[in-house]
Amino acid sequence: GAGVSQSPSNKVTEKGKDVELRCDPISGHTALYWYRQSLGQGLEFLIYFQGNSAPDKSGLPSDRFSAERTGGSVSTLTIQRTQQEDSAVYLCASSLKRERETQYFGPGTRLLVL
Amino acid sequence: QKEVEQDPGPLSVPEGAIVSLNCTYSNSAFQYFMWYRQYSRKGPELLMYTYSSGNKEDGRFTAQVDKSSKYISLFIRDSQPSDSATYLCASKTTNAGKSTFGDGTTLTVKP
Repeated sequence: GAGVSQSPSNKVTEKGKDVELRCDPISGHTALYWYRQSLGQGLEFLIYFQGNSAPDKSGLPSDRFSAERTGGSVSTLTIQRTQQEDSAVYLCASSLKRERETQYFGPGTRLLVL
Repeated sequence: QKEVEQDPGPLSVPEGAIVSLNCTYSNSAFQYFMWYRQYSRKGPELLMYTYSSGNKEDGRFTAQVDKSSKYISLFIRDSQPSDSATYLCASKTTNAGKSTFGDGTTLTVKP
């Protein structure tokens, strides 16, 4: 079946512009995660949605970052007034809440802020 | 200090070698431990998932967790060129929820 998809695959923007990154999780998955991966580094947690519960926003680095999940499915990560340090790969993952939770990752959106 | 520290790479080994990848962690509340494999320009994929201390084996891969020393290891036996990738260790406090990742070790297996 279809995996997690993300769009766009690449995004180049100018400092100060807003960007929106989209994630389509695996159908039926109740949990959705956003992570950020800077060059040569591990993944940094940003935000976690689980069903109808309030999202865990503890990883968002500043109030320029926000995310929504509409209808328990598609999610959009928005970065306002982008800065050069926002350049990274933004990864989305989805999972079913079960005894052994497996997060399935999308291919990521490579964001470059000039 | 990062909550999960991973041995830096890169690591280069000949085909057939045994590979040892290692991480340490500082958060005593971590109970779930994972290893992910990430190929270039792809998202990570889960390799091993372990709860608490002990060993877990899956084919050529063995994951070890020692909670007393806060040490996580992944062993790859009979390494293959297709194992060439970046390996990320990760930990979390609850089954469902955010994971904390190490920075990754890039492995190259030479034919």
